[in-house]
Amino acid sequence: EAQVTQNPRYLITVTGKKLTVTCSQNMNHEYMSWYRQDPGLGLRQIYYSMNVEVTDKGDVPEGYKVSRKEKRNFPLILESPSPNQTSLYFCASSLYGPNFGNQPQHFGDGTRLSIL
Amino acid sequence: SQQGEEDPQALSIQEGENATMNCSYKTSINNLQWYRQNSGRGLVHLILIRSNEREKHSGRLRVTLDTSKKSSSLLITASRAADTASYFCVPTGANSKLTFGKGITLSVRP
Repeated sequence: EAQVTQNPRYLITVTGKKLTVTCSQNMNHEYMSWYRQDPGLGLRQIYYSMNVEVTDKGDVPEGYKVSRKEKRNFPLILESPSPNQTSLYFCASSLYGPNFGNQPQHFGDGTRLSIL
Repeated sequence: SQQGEEDPQALSIQEGENATMNCSYKTSINNLQWYRQNSGRGLVHLILIRSNEREKHSGRLRVTLDTSKKSSSLLITASRAADTASYFCVPTGANSKLTFGKGITLSVRP
């Protein structure tokens, strides 16, 4: 089944303790991205990747890192999490980037992070 | 990147009624997509309309696009309680950022 898989689905942790949220897709998609969703603010893009070893900042990249060493995986790293990073996070992928034709995004089910 | 502005912010209708949701944007686009999000879940792609198309149908969904007015509408006919969700429009131009707005919260009362 074609899907985007995020782990963990839920995480409660403390300020400063490094964490990684994994994202994996099995559709051989080139484009992957991370969003955070906060009440009243909608979805905001954190980082995106056009292909392996190609990543770029989205609208709210501060406090986050990503890597794209393999096509299928796009982990989101919080080196020193802070309470303002408490949010619902989504990973998404598409065959190509939005500027290469018409590409619907496939979303994971989300990761709810609580940073105390 | 540009963001679609959905209107209204919230909509409450009775089951069986039609729901119309609107989206406006500011600059030229290649296509416009609509997504649905059930509470706390990932977004699901509903329909994509290209800039050279004026109307598109998918089941009970009808999307229109007016590039001269920079606006789109999503019509859900014969709504069901299961249509209760948030709906987002995403205008896509010639860049690599997809920007989602705050969405429209649709409540369908049984």
